[in-house]
Amino acid sequence: AQSVTQLGSHVSVSEGALVLLRCNYSSSVPPYLFWYVQYPNQGLQLLLKYTSAATLVKGINGFEAEFKKSETSFHLTKPSAHMSDAAEYFCAVTGNTPLVFGKGTRLSVIA
Amino acid sequence: GAGVSQSPSNKVTEKGKDVELRCDPISGHTALYWYRQSLGQGLEFLIYFQGNSAPDKSGLPSDRFSAERTGGSVSTLTIQRTQQEDSAVYLCASSLGLKREGETQYFGPGTRLLVL
Repeated sequence: AQSVTQLGSHVSVSEGALVLLRCNYSSSVPPYLFWYVQYPNQGLQLLLKYTSAATLVKGINGFEAEFKKSETSFHLTKPSAHMSDAAEYFCAVTGNTPLVFGKGTRLSVIA
Repeated sequence: GAGVSQSPSNKVTEKGKDVELRCDPISGHTALYWYRQSLGQGLEFLIYFQGNSAPDKSGLPSDRFSAERTGGSVSTLTIQRTQQEDSAVYLCASSLGLKREGETQYFGPGTRLLVL
């Protein structure tokens, strides 16, 4: 069985500040991990994906995530937040099952 | 088309009526997925197609929900005798279908269903 926990349903940061969105997973098989972003009234857009090739994954829009097996984590970071980053972010895991999503974290960026 | 498309974008229906939601995947993608996104439950998997077959329909919440896919392309999700708890955004995704695990799924914009 697989599951995802996203700590913090809402995160607020100032423009230019570090963005850190937390994701912890549980998986009985080697996982594939994803971060998706959803803007209002839109579908999900892939930010980045971990497939075991490298533990540090770089994605679009300056985001990156690091896979830490010992901590079962896949936290999403961006060095400097931009107003356009305001959206909902979903972490998801799959291995031998359909994608399992976390509850999502809404990111607000304050000018 | 360039991406996954879904229609209608919004649907308002009365309790007890049937609704059909349509998904047009990315051309060449043999795998297709339906998800439901609701406030209380987050994003839930409903059903997975590989070609026209549905090897995993474990997420369908009741027998009022069914889905089919024809010609390995367009899929229709049907909800019979809609209930208010069916109100949600229904998202469709597709992937290449070359392997079951780990493929990137590309999502459509969703159909927002409201059952009055």
